[in-house]
Amino acid sequence: KQEVTQIPAALSVPEGENLVLNCSFTDSAIYNLQWFRQDPGKGLTSLLLIQSSQREQTSGRLNASLDKSSGRSTLYIAASQPGDSATYLCAVRPGTGGFKTIFGAGTRLFVKA
Amino acid sequence: EAGVAQSPRYKIIEKRQSVAFWCNPISGHATLYWYQQILGQGPKLLIQFQNNGVVDDSQLPKDRFSAERLKGVDSTLKIQPAKLEDSAVYLCASTQIATGPRAGANVLTFGAGSRLTVL
Repeated sequence: KQEVTQIPAALSVPEGENLVLNCSFTDSAIYNLQWFRQDPGKGLTSLLLIQSSQREQTSGRLNASLDKSSGRSTLYIAASQPGDSATYLCAVRPGTGGFKTIFGAGTRLFVKA
Repeated sequence: EAGVAQSPRYKIIEKRQSVAFWCNPISGHATLYWYQQILGQGPKLLIQFQNNGVVDDSQLPKDRFSAERLKGVDSTLKIQPAKLEDSAVYLCASTQIATGPRAGANVLTFGAGSRLTVL
């Protein structure tokens, strides 16, 4: 059974700092891994999607990496800003077992001005 | 492209009452999901549709929850009777196709969610 874990659960950093959010999953048989952002009271916004054949994806100040063999992904945020404050969720789409997308509990990020 | 539409955005009901949520996915998306997100937790899948057929409803509390997808497009999630622990945000998401060689490239897109409070 696929399980997704995110560490840390919460993170507070000063503005301008580079930071890394971690995601681990137990079964390497996946179609893809997707990082989402969720603002309080809002739905999920897709940030980056990494297919199983890819190693990383970049969008602006965000870079996500995928290491299937070790069951890990990282989301790197460069030069953090107060507007980056949100909850970041990692989700994997398993390649077996019904193909439902499974989420971690998220990392709550607070960037201090 | 229009996003995933959900309504209502907010609903407050008494326990034992019923409630229904509606979702209109992105046009052409064959796969539709309903997730439940309790405060402080990640979304938990309730049910997954492929066109108008159910693919996975293993975590749907079928004694009180029901869902249907009309003609493979819109979907409705119903709770009857509601319990206090059903207070959560109900998220609808869609993607073009969840299986096969093209599945890995397909982004999962969410609606804004429907926040339910059961008193």
